[in-house]
Parts: sequence; structure tokens; C-alpha cells
Amino acid sequence: QVQLVQSGAEVKRPGASVKVSCKASGYTFTGNYIHWVRQAPGQGLEWMGWINPNRGGTDFAPKFHGRLTMTRDTSTSTVYMQLGWLKSDDTAVYYCARDQGYGGRTPFDHWGQGTLVTVSS
Amino acid sequence: SYVLTQPPSVSVAPGKTARITCGGDNIGIKTVHWYQQRSGQAPVLVIYYDRSRPSGIPDRFSGSSSGNTATLTISGVEAGDEADYYCLVWDSSRYYAFGTGTKVTVL
Repeated sequence: QVQLVQSGAEVKRPGASVKVSCKASGYTFTGNYIHWVRQAPGQGLEWMGWINPNRGGTDFAPKFHGRLTMTRDTSTSTVYMQLGWLKSDDTAVYYCARDQGYGGRTPFDHWGQGTLVTVSS
Repeated sequence: SYVLTQPPSVSVAPGKTARITCGGDNIGIKTVHWYQQRSGQAPVLVIYYDRSRPSGIPDRFSGSSSGNTATLTISGVEAGDEADYYCLVWDSSRYYAFGTGTKVTVL
């Protein structure tokens, strides 16, 4: 069965960066885009961007341009999300989610368990 | 960016019908997906492509979309349906938008 397993909780200082991993299993890793979505405490879901695990291409929501990076390691079926220049309002649970296909109209059909990132001085 | 507006909360008695709306400009010509998020858990897909149900989702869940409003309907509401619900749309300009979210309370 499809599984996305994320790395554990992180605590970071303002200005630092965080790198969260998402290990995929149960399907062909290069066959589906992976999205990252975050949720601040008590708030709604916010789409951050996607990565194409096949070619490594990415696209991000405009508000994250310049401080968001997504990479992948096909040998371990893992994608990584790195967010830099952290601020207190980056405190959130970060989710990876598998696209049913290659982005666009297809849904996000499986989600990781979430990783809490706390930014605090 | 594309804005999707949902009512903050909907309250419904057990066995009754809950309707959750998602308002957006010409949403009827876009593709809408719906997610259920129980407290402390990751979102779960409950409706995709406006009206299709993934395997394992009860047929009490249904969806529709027309004009400027998409609707998720939960018939015969059960206590286990208490959760937050979000719509998701790809706005065709490269980006995705989630609705503001609706908290469903079962009375």
C-alpha cells in the first residue's frame, strides 16, 4: 500500500533553515508528483509547491520563492523540503502529499503523517 | 491568487444532512477535490473530480459543482463525520488553492 513517512519534529531559531524528509513506498516513486502543504496552529491548509521525482523539476507558490527548495533522492525514494530564513509564523505542521498523477487537475491522494516545525527564539 | 471561501462552521444533528459550500470565481468550470481532516490527523481525500468517491469512502459523501459554488454533501451524518473539511482547486495558473475550511459539528 502507498505510504509516505515523514521525519520527526524540529525546533529552529528564527533565521535558520529546516529540512524535512518524506520517504515514499508502495508505488513507483518516479510516477507521481509530490506536493508540500503546511498548516499553522489552528489554521487552514496552505499549498507550498511540488516536485517531480522523475526529473527533479519544481514549482512553488509565489510567497515561498527564494527560500523554499525541494529535492529528491531516487535511490531511497525520498523527497526533501527545505525552508530557509525561518520566521515565527513558519511554525506549522508540514505535510507531504502524493499527487495522483503529474499535477494539474489530479487530486492529492495520499498524505504523510505531518512534521511539526516550531520556530522560536 | 484564486480565493476559495467556505463557511467557518456547520452544525448538524445525527442522521441529518450537512452541506458544505466552497465559493470561487467560476469554480463550476474547474476541478474540485474535498478533504476531511479529523483533529490531529492528516487530511483524507473524500471526493475527487467534483463528485467521485475514493474506495472506502461511504456513499453518504457526495459532491457537486456549478457556477460559483461547489458543494460537499454528507447524508445521514454520523458522529465520526465530525471534522474539518477543505476544498482544493488547481486554478490553472500553475498554482493550487485550498478553501478556508469548514468545521462540521455533530450535535
